[in-house]
Amino acid sequence: GAGVSQSPSNKVTEKGKDVELRCDPISGHTALYWYRQRLGQGLEFLIYFQGNSAPDKSGLPSDRFSAERTGESVSTLTIQRTQQEDSAVYLCASSLGLAGAGDTQYFGPGTRLTVL
Amino acid sequence: KNQVEQSPQSLIILEGKNCTLQCNYTVSPFSNLRWYKQDTGRGPVSLTIMTFSENTKSNGRYTATLDADTKQSSLHITASQLSDSASYICVVTSGGGGNKLTFGTGTQLKVEL
Repeated sequence: GAGVSQSPSNKVTEKGKDVELRCDPISGHTALYWYRQRLGQGLEFLIYFQGNSAPDKSGLPSDRFSAERTGESVSTLTIQRTQQEDSAVYLCASSLGLAGAGDTQYFGPGTRLTVL
Repeated sequence: KNQVEQSPQSLIILEGKNCTLQCNYTVSPFSNLRWYKQDTGRGPVSLTIMTFSENTKSNGRYTATLDADTKQSSLHITASQLSDSASYICVVTSGGGGNKLTFGTGTQLKVEL
């Protein structure tokens, strides 16, 4: 497939457990973004990668959230000790260059996380 | 604080009718403004992107306008179709070498027969 893919599509976990969300960007895209979208709300920026580096982590809500990217390709978003307020759809997007410079972002279908 | 506000919050129109969605922003410095369409359960899809010097951009039945002086943008949908039912999101990028995108909360459009 040529698009951005994310896995799993749905994840139900118990409060206090750790979860890992995966994003496979479009091949060759240097920039990768993670967003959170709570029910009925707008997208909330979490972090973006340029290559394997994360110049802006300002959106990560707490130290329970971390992300990494390897091989300028796949990225994982890890949430430790999940809380109920972490329940949301986590969206990943990639762009050839930086979206800030005008490049188009292509979004994946998202991972719906439910913390019981 | 950078903010993007959209109106109306939701809108219902009959198939074939036109509609206009509004976006006001207080993002500085301004780099570009985008409109996205997000179908339920899917990721957003880019419709248009405009820089400071552009005041209109079309993509099929979608036409976006930008007034950088008043910091307002609109998205006009012509001859609406049932498949236009979605959330339309206004996104403003701040410049100055950053890569920060500020998302509006969207306008939920429903097109009915």
